[in-house]
Amino acid sequence: ETGVTQSPTHLIKTRGQQVTLRCSSQSGHNTVSWYQQALGQGPQFIFQYYREEENGRGNFPPRFSGLQFPNYSSELNVNALELDDSALYLCASSVTPNTEAFFGQGTRLTVV
Amino acid sequence: AQTVTQSQPEMSVQEAETVTLSCTYDTSENNYYLFWYKQPPSRQMILVIRQEAYKQQNATENRFSVNFQKAAKSFSLKISDSQLGDTAMYFCAFMTSFYGGSQGNLIFGKGTKLSVKP
Repeated sequence: ETGVTQSPTHLIKTRGQQVTLRCSSQSGHNTVSWYQQALGQGPQFIFQYYREEENGRGNFPPRFSGLQFPNYSSELNVNALELDDSALYLCASSVTPNTEAFFGQGTRLTVV
Repeated sequence: AQTVTQSQPEMSVQEAETVTLSCTYDTSENNYYLFWYKQPPSRQMILVIRQEAYKQQNATENRFSVNFQKAAKSFSLKISDSQLGDTAMYFCAFMTSFYGGSQGNLIFGKGTKLSVKP
């Protein structure tokens, strides 16, 4: 167990809806990164938050947005869900942006 | 742009034997980190081993070791004395040094599915 927890573990949404995924980072970690892992693929970087500010973003549209809170937990929001958004969403926390990342168990999102 | 390539989609090995997983990467950076992550069916990504590019000595962690060839941009993982619990997806990942101005995100390969057979 890494101490990084994600909720919910599974989620089914309808195309066009909005979804919020949550991540509680490991104690002492001020950096949170989000990744999307499609079936049979490696994780793809969505964005990273460092001390409550966005510290970098991958090649994802603006309907993917996020927040980091003062306790360094984080949310990933996806608006106007599309079928291709179906994937495993992984959260990873680290002490700083370039130190070892500890992953949660992910949220499996299915869009129908 | 940095890329990571894992050319072996699937591999199998007998219990107690040794297996090597291949990884190549492309970058123009000089300072970076390389990782091998294990993802069992439980889905959680677990760090197996880490290598800093400025270190010439290959990293080792118990039964796991790497062969880091910086000039060839190659980073293979050797698993010795394979155990049934090693069955998982293995991902090679790259990260530039934060001091190079990057956001420290990991770039993953597509993974190698390793099956350890009894």
